[in-house]
Amino acid sequence: GQNIDQPTEMTATEGAIVQINCTYQTSGFNGLFWYQQHAGEAPTFLSYNVLDGLEEKGRFSSFLSRSKGYSYLLLKELQMKDSASYLCAVMDSNYQLIWGAGTKLIIKP
Amino acid sequence: GAVVSQHPSWVICKSGTSVKIECRSLDFQATTMFWYRQFPKQSLMLMATSNEGSKATYEQGVEKDKFLINHASLTLSTLTVTSAHPEDSSFYICSARDPAVNTEAFFGQGTRLTVV
Repeated sequence: GQNIDQPTEMTATEGAIVQINCTYQTSGFNGLFWYQQHAGEAPTFLSYNVLDGLEEKGRFSSFLSRSKGYSYLLLKELQMKDSASYLCAVMDSNYQLIWGAGTKLIIKP
Repeated sequence: GAVVSQHPSWVICKSGTSVKIECRSLDFQATTMFWYRQFPKQSLMLMATSNEGSKATYEQGVEKDKFLINHASLTLSTLTVTSAHPEDSSFYICSARDPAVNTEAFFGQGTRLTVV
């Protein structure tokens, strides 16, 4: 079956760095997405990785290793507004998005 | 980036009535749209894939007669929750992919449905 695993909850301090991991087992691979979702709102796009390596976009970076079925989202200089759920999703061979359960990130001052 | 508009943002209805939710792609033509349901503190659950001009493809366990999906044009898909019950109360989200950029999925704002 298809499976996406990510931690349920993480806590970090304002100004610090946090890494949210995601491992996946899917039928084919056409890219991995990270989305941010604040409570009561729809997800917003953060990043897309289809090749191995690190993609940097401001305070957020995303890494992919296809051979290991592994990705992480790195958030630097954490701000209180970064408190949200972070969803990892993989596009399978049928171009369907398979979603992880999300990681709730709590930022403390 | 592309914009997907979903309406209404929230709705309260009486048990037994029907509610229609609209999802529009504003600046691109979406041949395929997706409908998700999300319960509190849970991830997105795909309900169905809506294809323009054809019948929707429903995920296992989703009642197609209860959740009616119509994708009559390249910019509009609707989800109708028929004979709503309190257990249908949830956050419903639509998304669409721009065929020209077959990667990122763009989401509507979501609809908070409360059935009383």
